[in-house]
Amino acid sequence: AQSVTQLDSQVPVFEEAPVELRCNYSSSVSVYLFWYVQYPNQGLQLLLKYLSGSTLVESINGFEAEFNKSQTSFHLRKPSVHISDTAEYFCAVSASYGKLTFGQGTILTVHP
Amino acid sequence: EAGVTQFPSHSVIEKGQTVTLRCDPISGHDNLYWYRRVMGKEIKFLLHFVKESKQDESGMPNNRFLAERTGGTYSTLKVQPAELEDSGVYFCASSHLSGNNEQFFGPGTRLTVL
Repeated sequence: AQSVTQLDSQVPVFEEAPVELRCNYSSSVSVYLFWYVQYPNQGLQLLLKYLSGSTLVESINGFEAEFNKSQTSFHLRKPSVHISDTAEYFCAVSASYGKLTFGQGTILTVHP
Repeated sequence: EAGVTQFPSHSVIEKGQTVTLRCDPISGHDNLYWYRRVMGKEIKFLLHFVKESKQDESGMPNNRFLAERTGGTYSTLKVQPAELEDSGVYFCASSHLSGNNEQFFGPGTRLTVL
């Protein structure tokens, strides 16, 4: 079985500041790791994923996450956030091509 | 290419009534998943179809929930009879049978049981 912990339920930050959303997971087997984002009044969208290879993965809108096997973490970072990044972010793991196990979600609010 | 669609977007029913949620996956996606988010909690897996077969239904809370995917296309999730604790947002997702498990999510159905 897998579990995911997102350590911060809410993260307020000012525009153009850096942000880190933390995610730790627990699993007895190798996992695939994902970050999903849900913008207000929309469905979940895949932001980025780690399947294998380079431990640093990037999204098209400037987010990046690094898989750290020893610390069982997959923290999400962005060096400079925009107002439009305001959303709820979900970390998730999957042990195979099957169900996702989600964290509790982190609401990122970017203030002007 | 149309995304995953869900109907209705909102449903308000009374305890004891029946509700049926529908999900239309992306065309050609054999994997279909149902998830649920109860207010204040994490998104939890309910079940997984591969085509018309139930691959994993370990997350179904009880026998008041019945999911079907006749013909391997759209899926329905029926709750009968609904209870207060069934309130939440029900998400559907689909993905290709092969590949990297990128699941595409629908907008969700918000169910409120009064």
